[in-house]
Amino acid sequence: AQTVTQSQPEMSVQEAETVTLSCTYDTSESDYYLFWYKQPPSRQMILVIRQEAYKQQNATENRFSVNFQKAAKSFSLKISDSQLGDTAMYFCALKNRDDKIIFGKGTRLHILP
Amino acid sequence: DTAVSQTPKYLVTQMGNDKSIKCEQNLGHDTMYWYKQDSKKFLKIMFSYNNKELIINETVPNRFSPKSPDKAHLNLHINSLELGDSAVYFCASSQDRLAGGNEQFFGPGTRLTVL
Repeated sequence: AQTVTQSQPEMSVQEAETVTLSCTYDTSESDYYLFWYKQPPSRQMILVIRQEAYKQQNATENRFSVNFQKAAKSFSLKISDSQLGDTAMYFCALKNRDDKIIFGKGTRLHILP
Repeated sequence: DTAVSQTPKYLVTQMGNDKSIKCEQNLGHDTMYWYKQDSKKFLKIMFSYNNKELIINETVPNRFSPKSPDKAHLNLHINSLELGDSAVYFCASSQDRLAGGNEQFFGPGTRLTVL
């Protein structure tokens, strides 16, 4: 069975600090994709970053980067220079070739002024 | 220009009623999805359609019936609503479900409250 685990239900950091959100997953597939989605209070689901499992290089998107450890099945998200607009629920997600996305339970992130 | 739209955004109804939620995407995508997000924010896939054909059906009660009149629309009809159906329902679409890294674009969600 595929699972995605986010062990931090809630986190708070000061604006401009760096924060890391943890995610571990389990899958028997060799070909899969990992995503971080953001859900702000507006409820809209927004893709933050994606990683192909076959790529060793960690994905980056501006202030967002991942630490992908395939052997450990770990996929953490680092947000640098955090901003108030980063306040949201963050969901880690796993997708195999069958196209089903399995979401973690989310981490609620508060950026404090 | 809204990419994935859902109507209505809010729906309040009595137990036992039948209701529908509509979804439309103007991205030209082939695949559309329905997700349910419960009160604890847990998001789970319900269905997916590829070019009007049902692909994923995740052990959802058969009171839920998706209908895809064309590849730009995927509606969700729910019969005999129960209290446990209260949730936020998200529609999403993606360009090519077999290209695994393709992003799924989500609609704004429909908050369903069953009284």
